[in-house]
Amino acid sequence: ETGVTQSPTHLIKTRGQQVTLRCSSQSGHNTVSWYQQALGQGPQFIFQYYREEENGRGNFPPRFSGLQFPNYSSELNVNALELDDSALYLCASSRNREGVNTEAFFGQGTRLTVV
Amino acid sequence: DAKTTQPNSMESNEEEPVHLPCNHSTISGTDYIHWYRQLPSQGPEYVIHGLTSNVNNRMASLAIAEDRKSSTLILHRATLRDAAVYYCILRDVGMNYGGSQGNLIFGKGTKLSVKP
Repeated sequence: ETGVTQSPTHLIKTRGQQVTLRCSSQSGHNTVSWYQQALGQGPQFIFQYYREEENGRGNFPPRFSGLQFPNYSSELNVNALELDDSALYLCASSRNREGVNTEAFFGQGTRLTVV
Repeated sequence: DAKTTQPNSMESNEEEPVHLPCNHSTISGTDYIHWYRQLPSQGPEYVIHGLTSNVNNRMASLAIAEDRKSSTLILHRATLRDAAVYYCILRDVGMNYGGSQGNLIFGKGTKLSVKP
């Protein structure tokens, strides 16, 4: 059973640019969630994807968008990067069974630095 | 989601038990109590969860108060590898967004230090 993998592990972007982060979910998991973790804070929920559709969203602007693919992998896209977007971005996968998610398994994260 | 309150930090000695408290006085009847931990430079890791009864697994035990307004995560013998931030999270089993359970709402957690 493979775990959750994220790429890249580190990334440096310039303010105003766009970025795409990728996540491969754990085998057998059909739900992917993305979180943003600023230094010294707990992770903050961005959104969740289930059956290739956004299925819940936190308090993040529309320039944060995502995709889920038929193999359940996922992308997080951030447009018009701002300095405050610098953070650790975490992907978590889980399995939805009869409307209830199993526990979430997290990847190691992508460290994004915006300069 | 209901809110949880945890101490900012705790210290323990290696090979001694650790009791990590969590208060959740506004918990609802359909809220499960989840614990995750985050080791340095890693993503959060599931530890344990429960609803009403005490729960045990290979990692830890979860003791839930009879009124469910508080709970305690118990590490029976702390090791250096248990040094991490521990998050207590309430997750409503009834939160279905199009058939899927809601997200995890993390607070700041408790930073556990383990001394050799």
